[in-house]
Amino acid sequence: QITLKESGPTLVKPTQTLTLTCTFSGFSLSTSGVGVGWIRQPPGKALEWLALIYWNDDKRYSPSLKSRLTITKDTSKNQVVLTMTNMDPVDTATYYCAHSTVDTADSFDYWGQGTLVTVSS
Amino acid sequence: QSVLTQPPSASGTPGQRVTISCSGSSSNIGSNYVYWYQQLPGTAPKLLIYRNNQRPSGVPDRFSGSKSGTSASLAISGLRSEDEADYYCAAWDDSLSGHWVFGGGTKLTVL
Repeated sequence: QITLKESGPTLVKPTQTLTLTCTFSGFSLSTSGVGVGWIRQPPGKALEWLALIYWNDDKRYSPSLKSRLTITKDTSKNQVVLTMTNMDPVDTATYYCAHSTVDTADSFDYWGQGTLVTVSS
Repeated sequence: QSVLTQPPSASGTPGQRVTISCSGSSSNIGSNYVYWYQQLPGTAPKLLIYRNNQRPSGVPDRFSGSKSGTSASLAISGLRSEDEADYYCAAWDDSLSGHWVFGGGTKLTVL
């Protein structure tokens, strides 16, 4: 079955760079039509899409955060890494990674449990 | 401010039918599929509806989706206490090289 799990620091200081890793199983990111995305959710607030990487290494970013985000994949390790530069307290949120496939019209059909990242000095 | 507009709250009694609306624009809902996610308290979102009205395996047929123009709706019939959750709509937006957009979420309360 498909599982995803996010890992990374729980606390980062303002201006630092956040690096999050999504480790998955049950699928390959080299399979045509598959992608892995990142979505975040500030406490008590709505979901916000951040980035998405496809099997063919095509990458898409949130227009409002594009300058701060980088998404990469390591197919051999079944991992996707998201980096976000210049962190600010407003970036405090639970960060989710999720599986995407053309089979369900590119929806995010499997999600990780999420990891809470707090930005504070 | 979310790109897709949802009512912040909705409510119903057990057995009732409730609908949640989602309003967008020509660059997102107007030209792409709509998706719905359910988020139970303290858990990750779960895909409820894809391609406007398709249910993934395991999602009860009490949940249905529809789309018309630049708006979409999620309907829940035979409301149950376990349906109390936050519901989010989403769509791909063709502007600015393409990106996903979400609604602000609707908190459904089962009275």
